[in-house]
Amino acid sequence: GAVVSQHPSWVICKSGTSVKIECRSLDFQATTMFWYRQFPKQSLMLMATSNEGSKATYEQGVEKDKFLINHASLTLSTLTVTSAHPEDSSFYICSGGVLAGGNTGELFFGEGSRLTVL
Amino acid sequence: GDSVTQMEGPVTLSEEAFLTINCTYTATGYPSLFWYVQYPGEGLQLLLKATKADDKGSNKGFEATYRKETTSFHLEKGSVQVSDSAVYFCALSVWGGGFKTIFGAGTRLFVKA
Repeated sequence: GAVVSQHPSWVICKSGTSVKIECRSLDFQATTMFWYRQFPKQSLMLMATSNEGSKATYEQGVEKDKFLINHASLTLSTLTVTSAHPEDSSFYICSGGVLAGGNTGELFFGEGSRLTVL
Repeated sequence: GDSVTQMEGPVTLSEEAFLTINCTYTATGYPSLFWYVQYPGEGLQLLLKATKADDKGSNKGFEATYRKETTSFHLEKGSVQVSDSAVYFCALSVWGGGFKTIFGAGTRLFVKA
């Protein structure tokens, strides 16, 4: 299947700093990318949906000024956690897909990034 | 609204045992159905999929059949291995005023040697 590369795979930062996570589709052009957050032993919580060249659509309860999402090209989306605090510590996962009419809707996931804020 | 319900875990089995993880869904459109697997510390990987009623998805000994009449997509494997220990997510994708994927809560599987 298609490959999505996400990095860093883990990052530790001090409270108040900003952290950027990159998500790249290596062998396909992802028209849409999704960012999820996963708490320990829980399912994925969709944070936002981004389409290339347009603003991300955030899910209810997700602060768009805190979680900045950029999808500048068909192969790269970034999530920046601004002014991170310990409660932002989590596992963040991106996924990409080619979402057009008739497509099955299969998503390709990055490896995930574990963020620990001290 | 659209939703996915899967059996709660954890499920603990001995090696070579038969596995079933139940998944049912509700959807207003015509969804595609998926099983994703997440190994410890990793992202999700597609395990198998089915895009229409009566389709059977299969991969690595796992199977699931898209049952429209019972709105189910149960995951089965005849003989599990220790390496199958992971979290399994049932999901549906559907078009309807935009694209969306809905995930079940996940079922953690432990396989003992």
